[in-house]
Amino acid sequence: SAVISQKPSRDICQRGTSLTIQCQVDSQVTMMFWYRQQPGQSLTLIATANQGSEATYESGFVIDKFPISRPNLTFSTLTVSNMSPEDSSIYLCSPGLGGHNEQFFGPGTRLTVL
Amino acid sequence: AQKITQTQPGMFVQEKEAVTLDCTYDTSDQSYGLFWYKQPSSGEMIFLIYQGSYDEQNATEGRYSLNFQKARKSANLVISASQLGDSAMYFCAMRGSGGGADGLTFGKGTHLIIQP
Repeated sequence: SAVISQKPSRDICQRGTSLTIQCQVDSQVTMMFWYRQQPGQSLTLIATANQGSEATYESGFVIDKFPISRPNLTFSTLTVSNMSPEDSSIYLCSPGLGGHNEQFFGPGTRLTVL
Repeated sequence: AQKITQTQPGMFVQEKEAVTLDCTYDTSDQSYGLFWYKQPSSGEMIFLIYQGSYDEQNATEGRYSLNFQKARKSANLVISASQLGDSAMYFCAMRGSGGGADGLTFGKGTHLIIQP
């Protein structure tokens, strides 16, 4: 499996500010998935980012709130904009490494918004 | 659209016993994949096992096996000889016919506690 890293691992932010989460993979990947896990909840897909095209957002998530960048095949960022306490969650990236029979996740970014 | 149902919010099991975690799914896709993940308190998502809809045999990975009953749309995880380190949240997930191009849909999870 690939090595997947995320920065920051955790952060505490003030409401109204924005945070950019970075995801780095040690191999080239076409697809990058971003998920949110609210406290005590399951994982929910935010968006799918394909290098060279606009990200596709799931119902309930919009680009203005969660802009995503994919500058190359090993890196992606997710920004959580104009944060509120409801954005307090773990955010995880998950690269599409090509194999359909496995799906790995980054270690996650634990965000607390005050 | 896919849907995953995990009906056991929490389970207590004695160490060394076998554990079965339930998962049922719903999809209109003919081709799909089913996944199980372990999430310890640290928050990381650990991939355990995968079952493809066309796989004829149940998947196994060490102490983990997947009891796949396609007609019943169930994909239960079986952990043999449970250990204290197995205590964690367990999530069942699936993706549809898009294969690696599709994200995963997750169930609500089961909190498994192994007691000594």
